[in-house]
Amino acid sequence: DAGITQSPRHKVTETGTPVTLRCHQTENHRYMYWYRQDPGHGLRLIHYSYGVKDTDKGEVSDGYSVSRSKTEDFLLTLESATSSQTSVYFCAISLGPLNTEAFFGQGTRLTVV
Amino acid sequence: GQQVMQIPQYQHVQEGEDFTTYCNSSTTLSNIQWYKQRPGGHPVFLIQLVKSGEVKKQKRLTFQFGEAKKNSSLHITATQTTDVGTYFCANHGSGNTGKLIFGQGTTLQVKP
Repeated sequence: DAGITQSPRHKVTETGTPVTLRCHQTENHRYMYWYRQDPGHGLRLIHYSYGVKDTDKGEVSDGYSVSRSKTEDFLLTLESATSSQTSVYFCAISLGPLNTEAFFGQGTRLTVV
Repeated sequence: GQQVMQIPQYQHVQEGEDFTTYCNSSTTLSNIQWYKQRPGGHPVFLIQLVKSGEVKKQKRLTFQFGEAKKNSSLHITATQTTDVGTYFCANHGSGNTGKLIFGQGTTLQVKP
């Protein structure tokens, strides 16, 4: 498996609290992605990064922010968690912008109560 | 981004039967990638198709990219219980941005 670590792996939080998920890679890949996975919706792109401090929105970015201050770390923040953000979150990395495979982390299961 | 619609959402087959999942787009795709996610696991890359009409095989799996580059299929011959999981197609959007969009996935159940 590619060197991708997501933390935490599981988290339960209360509605209205801020939450930060971390994705750490040791592969020096330029592209990093955050997806959420929900039944019936597949994998939906939240935000992605194409370099340090370079990020862009995905399909479902409302309520989420990201930061990438170092190549190896991509943080996903829920400023004020809501129950609709209960999901499994996957981080992925890719070497290039096109025609390169994505490697996924193990996922973070987030429950907002 | 380019939307890819994947069908069916679920498929139950008897072991030994064939299985096919389809990925369709209204616009021309730059490429198509296929991933497999085992229950409780994370998606794992299977293959990429880039050329119009391209066909690739991996043992019992056959991947096709349509002539117009608007659709793709994954066909599994003689399914086994190890084929259980969710199969996703994915596509890099236009503009060389690196954005990678996934279809909704097809979940395959195989009855022994």
